This record gives sequence, C-alpha cells and structure tokens, in this order.
Amino acid sequence: AQSVAQPEDQVNVAEGNPLTVKCTYSVSGNPYLFWYVQYPNRGLQFLLKYITGDNLVKGSYGFEAEFNKSQTSFHLKKPSALVSDSALYFCAVRDWAGGYNKLIFGAGTRLAVHP
Amino acid sequence: NAGVTQTPKFQVLKTGQSMTLQCAQDMNHEYMSWYRQDPGMGLRLIHYSVGAGITDQGEVPNGYNVSRSTTEDFPLRLLSAAPSQTSVYFCASSTLPGGREKNEQFFGPGTRLTVL
Repeated sequence: AQSVAQPEDQVNVAEGNPLTVKCTYSVSGNPYLFWYVQYPNRGLQFLLKYITGDNLVKGSYGFEAEFNKSQTSFHLKKPSALVSDSALYFCAVRDWAGGYNKLIFGAGTRLAVHP
Repeated sequence: NAGVTQTPKFQVLKTGQSMTLQCAQDMNHEYMSWYRQDPGMGLRLIHYSVGAGITDQGEVPNGYNVSRSTTEDFPLRLLSAAPSQTSVYFCASSTLPGGREKNEQFFGPGTRLTVL
C-alpha cells in the first residue's frame, strides 16, 4: 500500500533562514507526490506536485520540493522563510487503486517561523 | 467560481443523532471525496466518487454514507453519530486522474463536528 511519513511534528525556523519540511514515501511503482498547506481554520491548498521529470519541483509561494528516488524522499524547501509561512504542511501520495484519484496523506508537520 | 463549498461550518450533535454535511463544487469536476482530519493522523479518506451515480469507500467508511446524484453535490451522511466521529471534515474535488495533467484536488473550508 502507498504511504508517506512526515517524521517531524513541528519545525521551528527563524524568519529569513532556509526551511525544510521532511517527507518520505513508500509506494509500489512510480510515485505521484504532493505537498499541501493548511492555514488556520482553512481548507488545504495545493503547493506543488511531482509526477515525472526534473527532481526539483517549484510550486506556489516560493516553495520547492526535491524528489530523491534513492532515499525515497520528497522534502519541501524554501530558501528564506517568512512569518506568513507558518502553517500545517501535508505530504501526500496518490493511491492508484482502481485508477482513481485517492490521496494518502501524512500526519502533517507544523511549521513555525519566528520573527 | 465559488470553488468547493461546505455547510455547515460548525455542528454539535448528540450521540445517536443523524445529520448531513453538504458539499458542492462549481468547477464541473468528476471526482469528489470526503476526508476527516484528526490530530496526529493527517487526513483520512472516507468516501469518494468518480462521477454522478458512482461512489466507493475510502480508508474509514464505517458510520458514513454518501450519494452522488449530480456532478455538483456530494453530501456525507452520519446516520447515528458517535463521539468517535468528532472531527473536522473536508470535501475535495478534482478532475479525474490520467496522463500528466495537473488535476490537483481542491479542498473546501471544512466542517467542524462535535458529537457529545
């Protein structure tokens, strides 16, 4: 079965510093990987996805993610964190069972960016 | 476009009561789904639908029913609410998967449900 793991419950970063939110995956076949962000009392917003092609994927709000097949990782990164980036971040993998668009989510990582 | 809308935003039920969470989208998406979000567990898929008249179970379907009579609407029914169903519920929609199109899922704002 497809799964993703986010090993950190919370990541603390100072504003202006680079940030990384970690995600590892376990899939059979080629992975389709996603990052979503959830701001307080809001639904999830799509950030970026990896299907194929370049291992470095660029997304919304200056975020990017690096797909590493040998380490089965898909870490989310940003060169310079903003206080407004503070939110809950979810990694997800598409489950192709039945060929339908089912997303399997990680438990989430809370990012706190301090001024 | 309003995107994905959900009603109500908040609801408190007593054990054994029934209710329906509403979800609607105006993007003509074939695929719609319901997730519940619980602390430390991420989002778990309850039910999903790939088009009008077609529904299927996700990871945690017990205690929930769905139907899809139109493309736009995908209501989630709790027939006899239990405290274990206290959660935040999100509806999502997308185009059907296939090829390399973007088809990321669009999420509604959520319904916070408390069962006493």
